[in-house]
Amino acid sequence: QKEVEQNSGPLSVPEGAIASLNCTYSDRVSQSFFWYRQYSGKSPELIMSIYSNGDKEDGRFTAQLNKASQYVSLLIRDSQPSDSATYLCAVPQGGGNKLTFGTGTQLKVEL
Amino acid sequence: EPEVTQTPSHQVTQMGQEVILRCVPISNHLYFYWYRQILGQKVEFLVSFYNNEISEKSEIFDDQFSVERPDGSNFTLKIRSTKLEDSAMYFCARSPGLAYTDTQYFGPGTRLTVL
Repeated sequence: QKEVEQNSGPLSVPEGAIASLNCTYSDRVSQSFFWYRQYSGKSPELIMSIYSNGDKEDGRFTAQLNKASQYVSLLIRDSQPSDSATYLCAVPQGGGNKLTFGTGTQLKVEL
Repeated sequence: EPEVTQTPSHQVTQMGQEVILRCVPISNHLYFYWYRQILGQKVEFLVSFYNNEISEKSEIFDDQFSVERPDGSNFTLKIRSTKLEDSAMYFCARSPGLAYTDTQYFGPGTRLTVL
């Protein structure tokens, strides 16, 4: 059983700070990694995807991938209260690309 | 982001009853998935569907479950003889392909409550 691990949190950061969310995965052959944001009672919404080692930036979001360490992270700069949500790390597995999700990290951005 | 709709948004049923959850994906996405999320737990894969056939299913997807695309547009998940533990959010997702870069986009979900 391929695993995706996240710290469930909650992670509390003050408004304007950088939030750092981490994820580790067990399947060494995984090629792509997705971060979804999920508000309470809502569906997962894609935030970022990353496929290559290193950093990928999109606005206030930066995804970081280290395949050797089997580690992927999401940084949120200038955190806003609207960023308060659960952030899900997801890794496609198998030929059909079924997503294996972590438990998610709850982020709380405090005023 | 491509749109997908799911109906109903909330379904309440009695234990032992059958429910049908519907998903209407955009027409040029070929790969469909059903996931569920029990309250407070992780999102779990149920089944993937391509070209009118199941391509992969999880251990959760037992004989109680079935999927079909009855009219070429709607994509349904049927749960026969529902159990209390089937109470969850059910999400339909679709993807344009199976390349490792292809993203899965999720519908708004159906909240199923089994009493």
